[in-house]
Amino acid sequence: GENVEQHPSTLSVQEGDSAVIKCTYSDSASNYFPWYKQELGKGPQLIIDIRSNVGEKKDQRIAVTLNKTAKHFSLHITETQPEDSAVYFCAAVFSNSNSGYALNFGKGTSLLVTP
Amino acid sequence: ETGVTQSPTHLIKTRGQQVTLRCSSQSGHNTVSWYQQALGQGPQFIFQYYREEENGRGNFPPRFSGLQFPNYSSELNVNALELDDSALYLCASSTDRAPLSGYTFGSGTRLTVV
Repeated sequence: GENVEQHPSTLSVQEGDSAVIKCTYSDSASNYFPWYKQELGKGPQLIIDIRSNVGEKKDQRIAVTLNKTAKHFSLHITETQPEDSAVYFCAAVFSNSNSGYALNFGKGTSLLVTP
Repeated sequence: ETGVTQSPTHLIKTRGQQVTLRCSSQSGHNTVSWYQQALGQGPQFIFQYYREEENGRGNFPPRFSGLQFPNYSSELNVNALELDDSALYLCASSTDRAPLSGYTFGSGTRLTVV
């Protein structure tokens, strides 16, 4: 099945700096890569996603890049703010006859933005 | 538009018991997926329901079962609870089986098995 590796597991930055989280995946058939933000006591919230026919996507301070050849994708957060502090998960969709369509998640990155 | 709601929010059960968790999907969504999130880990896919039928299943034993109702709400049932079943159970809804438009997750049910 699909494996998604995510690094780093923890990241601490100062307010205003940039944060980068990187993920790799194994299934070359994966065609959809969402990023989720999870705050304490809440479910994951979709913050940005990218499809395999696009190399980069940006939404205000958040951007995602995808390198299909290398099978890796990254989340970039610029001008970080304390409210960006949370756990971030990357994911890749996979499908087979048993699982249908499902998301395979990385293990998460705990981001701390200090004032 | 309402989001995904799950009930109960917290639950404590004894090993060997059975539990039912409930999920109401977001308005307009016909697909529901269930995920298990152990502490400090990413969510793990349990199964997906589309138009009241199981559409796919992850690496979970048969004692994990589910239902989807005509209004697209869903239940997750776990029999013969084990200590390792303690986790946050997340329900996610979407407009189609393939999550190309994104899943909307609920806040989850925190299950503790003692």
